[in-house]
Amino acid sequence: QVQLQESGPGLVKPSQTLSLTCSVSGGSLNRGPYCWNWIRQSAGRGLEWIGRFQSGVTANYNPAFMNRVTISANTATNQISLKLTSVTAADTAMYYCARVDISLAVDAFDVWGPGTMVTVSS
Amino acid sequence: QSALTQPRSVSGSPGQSVTISCTGSGTDVGAYDYVSWYQHHAGEAPKLLIYDVVERPSGVPSRFSGSKSGNTASLTISGLLPDDDSDYFCCSYAGSYTWVFGGGTKLTVL
Repeated sequence: QVQLQESGPGLVKPSQTLSLTCSVSGGSLNRGPYCWNWIRQSAGRGLEWIGRFQSGVTANYNPAFMNRVTISANTATNQISLKLTSVTAADTAMYYCARVDISLAVDAFDVWGPGTMVTVSS
Repeated sequence: QSALTQPRSVSGSPGQSVTISCTGSGTDVGAYDYVSWYQHHAGEAPKLLIYDVVERPSGVPSRFSGSKSGNTASLTISGLLPDDDSDYFCCSYAGSYTWVFGGGTKLTVL
């Protein structure tokens, strides 16, 4: 059974780059009809889809993050990474990674990690 | 302010039914039959309940059902159980490989 676990620094200074990792266990990033997403939840903005990575396909991003976000995968370590540049307090949120099983449906985020909290503060 | 609008809270007694709405627009909920619903107990990973408006993944009880009319999707939970006390949020495809979410609804089982 696939499990996801987010990790990263809990505190990031304003204007710096937020870097998070999602470790995938019980499955391989290289196998299966899956895409891997980052989603965040904050008190002010609710839930926001940030973007997704699918092996062999160009990553897709929420236009609201377009110039600041990069999502990529490291198949050697079976991890998906999120980098968000020039962060502000508005980027303070719980960050989740989630899998979509494309063979099931394009909207079926069927596996989620428990999330990792990131606070942006000096 | 989330892209999809959900009531902040709903409540019901054990055995009753409740419906949670999710209102979007003609560019997301109204445009595609790609609405999903999730249950989220605090501190845990969200759980997929409904996808493609009405479909249930294996293992999700038939007490959970989804529907859609125009720009509004709905999740109905029948035969409420104490464990249904949780947060619920919706999600819709919004075109161009993007997705939008609702703000979440707190269901209280009285």
